[in-house]
Amino acid sequence: EVQLLESGGGLVQPGGSLRLSCAASGFTFSSYAMSWVRQAPGKGLEWVSGISGSGGSTYYADSVKGRFTISRDNSKNTLYVQMNSLRAEDTAVYYCAKDWFPRLLTLTLDYWGQGTLVTVSS
Amino acid sequence: QSALTQPPSVSGSPGQSVTISCTGTSSDVGSYNRVSWYQQPPGTAPKLMIYEVSNRPSGVPDRFSGSKSGNTASLTISGLQAEDEADYYCSSYTSSTTLVFGGGTKLTVL
Repeated sequence: EVQLLESGGGLVQPGGSLRLSCAASGFTFSSYAMSWVRQAPGKGLEWVSGISGSGGSTYYADSVKGRFTISRDNSKNTLYVQMNSLRAEDTAVYYCAKDWFPRLLTLTLDYWGQGTLVTVSS
Repeated sequence: QSALTQPPSVSGSPGQSVTISCTGTSSDVGSYNRVSWYQQPPGTAPKLMIYEVSNRPSGVPDRFSGSKSGNTASLTISGLQAEDEADYYCSSYTSSTTLVFGGGTKLTVL
């Protein structure tokens, strides 16, 4: 059974940093691209970033480019996102999600975690 | 990258059919068949309902179907059931190797 468990969310001041983690199980982690998607309170979904299975290719939404860094440790089956220079508008539930097709970045997301809440406020 | 355009809300009675549209551009929906639809009941994570325009993952009822014409994709739910009440989001792969979502549509089963 595929499981994705996010952690690391919390309250952070504007300008601060936070690192989210997503522990994966139930599939061959290194074979699949992964993404982070966020959802501000009461708002819609926004794709944040994606990474290839090897970790060699990364992709970002314009809204986070230069501030967020996605990475993965395939030996630990874990996905990360380092978030710097956080702003109030980064407040959201952050989901990690698995790409549905192996060895390709299709950005079709077939499994999602339950999310972790990040609140940026002074 | 601007969000795809969806109607904010749709409604229908049990047993009826509803269609949710999703309009993009030639840089996303119009150029790629990597259009997906997600269902999100309140307080839960999104669930993949349709991928590559019209394919259903295992376990998704065949009451859910998808299509695309030009820059507009559509999700049709036939034989509406109370359990279908949720927010629905479309998404598309883009020419910038990013993913863009629609603004979401709230489905109310009357």
